[in-house]
Amino acid sequence: ELKVEQNPLFLSMQEGKNYTIYCNYSTTSDRLYWYRQDPGKSLESLFVLLSNGAVKQEGRLMASLDTKARLSTLHITAAVHDLSATYFCAVDKNTGNQFYFGTGTSLTVIP
Amino acid sequence: DSGVTQTPKHLITATGQRVTLRCSPRSGDLSVYWYQQSLDQGLQFLIQYYNGEERAKGNILERFSAQQFPDLHSELNLSSLELGDSALYFCASSVGDSAREQYFGPGTRLTVT
Repeated sequence: ELKVEQNPLFLSMQEGKNYTIYCNYSTTSDRLYWYRQDPGKSLESLFVLLSNGAVKQEGRLMASLDTKARLSTLHITAAVHDLSATYFCAVDKNTGNQFYFGTGTSLTVIP
Repeated sequence: DSGVTQTPKHLITATGQRVTLRCSPRSGDLSVYWYQQSLDQGLQFLIQYYNGEERAKGNILERFSAQQFPDLHSELNLSSLELGDSALYFCASSVGDSAREQYFGPGTRLTVT
């Protein structure tokens, strides 16, 4: 069974600091997705990474994909309070259409 | 707003009962996916329909069933409910059969008492 692991599970960081969330997965896949979820809310699509070496940036967030290492990172630059949320990565098998979600990383940005 | 709608927003029911959750995909999307999010199981894929046909099945219990209608809306039926079925149920939609990106609805929070 495909496993998707994120670390850390919980992250408390100060405003203005940088940090990276890691997403490891256990099967071959060229497609990885990052989502954001605010408490009690739905999932909002952040990034879609569709090939090895893909890098995408939006504001203070940057995501990258290394399919050979089966690793994606979500880098946070100069964190602000509005980034506080839970971040999920998800993988789908190349041959399939089923998303496998990671455990989620709960991020709290403190002043 | 993703364009995916789900009803109801909240549902409280008793053990042993049956409920139906409804999802309308974004205009033009042919695929509908159902997910269950709970504290102990995380976010789990249940089932996918594409243009009325079942396409992929995940960790869906036999007590649960789904269908997609000709107008492309979908319903998830949960029967013989147990306390452990309490969760947030999300529907997502995508354009094609193979999901490059899914857009999630607001979810239905089910509480089984």
